[in-house]
Amino acid sequence: GAVVSQHPSRVICKSGTSVKIECRSLDFQATTMFWYRQFPKQSLMLMATSNEGSKATYEQGVEKDKFLINHASLTLSTLTVTSAHPEDSSFYICSATQGSYNSPLHFGNGTRLTVT
Amino acid sequence: GENVEQHPSTLSVQEGDSAVIKCTYSDSASNYFPWYKQELGKRPQLIIDIRSNVGEKKDQRIAVTLNKTAKHFSLHITETQPEDSAVYFCAARGSGNTGKLIFGQGTTLQVKP
Repeated sequence: GAVVSQHPSRVICKSGTSVKIECRSLDFQATTMFWYRQFPKQSLMLMATSNEGSKATYEQGVEKDKFLINHASLTLSTLTVTSAHPEDSSFYICSATQGSYNSPLHFGNGTRLTVT
Repeated sequence: GENVEQHPSTLSVQEGDSAVIKCTYSDSASNYFPWYKQELGKRPQLIIDIRSNVGEKKDQRIAVTLNKTAKHFSLHITETQPEDSAVYFCAARGSGNTGKLIFGQGTTLQVKP
């Protein structure tokens, strides 16, 4: 149980274009999902907390107009990287908790974004 | 907000030896402390976790200890095997009901056969 599916696993796009990443909880309802970003050989940095039916809460330093998050249902959250630049190239990982906020986080497989 | 510091950044041990990774956190109200193992290019996998009402937890070769007073917690891996080689992250969940986890910097563990 507690499977989180993330698509695509890899994406290459040109500078200036937008990329959408989907995160789905397959066998549970996730009121809250989290989006992390990980640069090579670095830690997972929390970008935003995605709440179903409401606006996402962004961490300090994360541009909400550049990283659009939509949590339209209890099983789906999307992250759109708008007007992508090479410095946005990174590993993006979503996660969700099963049940209460005090439950473990389960991660998606991640999306390797490369902006050329 | 919560800040998590993790040490060492790299750790190399011989197969069969023990490995210890330490983390400290800043928010005294933090109540949940998981450890994740991440292999190259893959998602982090939860290996063990501990809650603030417990001082120690063990699962086969893996154990975690928590010292709330000192605000630090540690991961102990005994009888290490080459397949234990990976990056390990500690994390802390702070106060409030957002459920978000803040991660340490990670430790690259290499177990030499």
